[in-house]
Amino acid sequence: QSALTQPPSASGSPGQSVTISCTGTSSDVGGYNYVSWYQQYPGKAPKLVIYEVSKWPSGVPDRFSGSKSGNTASLTVSGLQAEDEADYYCSSYAGNNNLVFGGGTKLTVL
Amino acid sequence: QVQLVQSGAEVKKPGASVRVSCKASGYTFTSYYIHWVRQAPGQGLEWMGVINPSGGATDYAQSFQGRLTMTRDTSTSTVYTELSSLRSGDTAVYYCARGGLVVVPAVHGLDVWGQGTTVTVSS
Repeated sequence: QSALTQPPSASGSPGQSVTISCTGTSSDVGGYNYVSWYQQYPGKAPKLVIYEVSKWPSGVPDRFSGSKSGNTASLTVSGLQAEDEADYYCSSYAGNNNLVFGGGTKLTVL
Repeated sequence: QVQLVQSGAEVKKPGASVRVSCKASGYTFTSYYIHWVRQAPGQGLEWMGVINPSGGATDYAQSFQGRLTMTRDTSTSTVYTELSSLRSGDTAVYYCARGGLVVVPAVHGLDVWGQGTTVTVSS
């Protein structure tokens, strides 16, 4: 399956909100409510920040929120903080026990 | 605490095979899927495949079919991934990550990650 499509970069000032999109097809994002989002700092392993489109793992602040419409999922980071500067990846279930990732978005806090 | 600890860095020549291990602790090993994800230098995450540690069933990404083998040892709570016919494009950091409960399909997010294993393929 092809990778999900994310914008390569996004940015916002402290306190603002920024939204990152993740576009797939009816065979992955549009077909299942199993979209996850991961935050990754340079040289570190990814960290799950959203699962099942809009749920928070324990310990993740509710400044992170997720949604989905059709074949596109979105991650919104509200009240941007300097520590939110990282790479963000979406992933989706794609059937037959397969997952697919997006290409990643580098979030810059101005 | 729940953790996945991976084996150390590897350097291999083109055409060789590499095996990376992932030892689980802090939870019931056979209850959760283990996925493997890799990241080439400066690139994004690429899903490789998943193993059900309970029965050993596997599913691999199409791009790795025929070159990738995942196995598990329930006596040591360890999962292994072996990639053969290595080429320079396989140079990457390889991660294992815990998925959801094995009683349902492997639909869930990856909530615990190993520290990563760097595999370098060079002549």
